[in-house]
Amino acid sequence: DVKVTQSSRYLVKRTGEKVFLECVQDMDHENMFWYRQDPGLGLRLIYFSYDVKMKEKGDIPEGYSVSREKKERFSLILESASTNQTSMYLCASIVGQGISGYTFGSGTRLTVV
Amino acid sequence: KQEVTQIPAALSVPEGENLVLNCSFTDSAIYNLQWFRQDPGKGLTSLLLIQSSQREQTSGRLNASLDKSSGRSTLYIAASQPGDSATYLCAVPLGGGGNKLTFGTGTQLKVEL
Repeated sequence: DVKVTQSSRYLVKRTGEKVFLECVQDMDHENMFWYRQDPGLGLRLIYFSYDVKMKEKGDIPEGYSVSREKKERFSLILESASTNQTSMYLCASIVGQGISGYTFGSGTRLTVV
Repeated sequence: KQEVTQIPAALSVPEGENLVLNCSFTDSAIYNLQWFRQDPGKGLTSLLLIQSSQREQTSGRLNASLDKSSGRSTLYIAASQPGDSATYLCAVPLGGGGNKLTFGTGTQLKVEL
């Protein structure tokens, strides 16, 4: 089975810190995604990447950046963390064009204080 | 813009009952539809993926149907168990195809002893 691993389950960071959320998949998937999930708002797409060094903004990219230097790793960066970025962050990957479904990581619960 | 609605938002049933969760979407030109399960504080687990050419998919006690023309999908759970308690989300590709998904806000299911 495809495995998507998020490096941290829980993180607590201070306002203004630079925060890195890491995601690694082990099945050579081209496409990787970062979502955030908030009560009442559901899942919202932050950024996605369809190849190494390629990225595209999702619905809510403000305050975030991403990095994909290797195919298996997709990093989400909060340049200067703010309290409104407290959320559950979910990474996912998929291969092909609608051929198979998404595989999600177990999520990172980020709290910014 | 694709919009996905799930009804009901919450459901509580006694153990052993058969139940149906509903998902509707506004743009019927979709490649596929995916159902996920999410346990509290965890990531999403893929349950079933239905391709646009299929009418239904089955996995154990779960059966998902897809009616593209009416913009609807149902997830049928037979003989529900307390372990089925979770939030169930459906998702379709944004704009019909491609790999970006639009998610419903989910149905929170509680199966009571």
